Amino acid sequence: NAGVTQTPKFQVLKTGQSMTLQCAQDMNHNSMYWYRQDPGMGLRLIYYSASEGTTDKGEVPNGYNVSRLNKREFSLRLESAAPSQTSVYFCASKQGQGSRYGYTFGSGTRLTVV
Amino acid sequence: DAKTTQPNSMESNEEEPVHLPCNHSTISGTDYIHWYRQLPSQGPEYVIHGLTSNVNNRMASLAIAEDRKSSTLILHRATLRDAAVYYCILTQGGSEKLVFGKGTKLTVNP
Repeated sequence: NAGVTQTPKFQVLKTGQSMTLQCAQDMNHNSMYWYRQDPGMGLRLIYYSASEGTTDKGEVPNGYNVSRLNKREFSLRLESAAPSQTSVYFCASKQGQGSRYGYTFGSGTRLTVV
Repeated sequence: DAKTTQPNSMESNEEEPVHLPCNHSTISGTDYIHWYRQLPSQGPEYVIHGLTSNVNNRMASLAIAEDRKSSTLILHRATLRDAAVYYCILTQGGSEKLVFGKGTKLTVNP
């Protein structure tokens, strides 16, 4: 059971380059999320998709876009990468909306923008 | 979001029980108490969550005070693999957001 799979695991970008982080889950979960974690800090929510066909902004959406491609896949795009976006990015999913359900996280994508 | 307070660090010996405390004196009636842990260089891992009653699963137990102003995560027999940062998080019933604080770094001694 793979759970939440993120690709790539590591990436180095130059300032201004674009890239898409991929996330897929095989648990038939309805809700999917993108978080970032900066050194020594907790996770912060970037965007989420409560169900297929919907997306909403989290705490720190600026500089990012997302696509809920289907129920399984939720991608995060950086259109013009900046050094401030150097971080570890985690994708997560859960069965439904609200706090009754626990999250399953992927193993992360470590992104460095130089 | 209501705030939680956890000790910065705790130590335990292998095969002994561990009680990780969390204070949340401003909890509201619809806040769930979630616990996650994060091993070095890995994503957070769900441990347990509850609303009012104590909860048990294969990983741990969650003991919630009667007034809900505090809770305790109980690992019944610590192993070296349980060494991680443990986060106690309150989430409102309809919220889609997990707000991670600094958590408790648990060290397990062989």
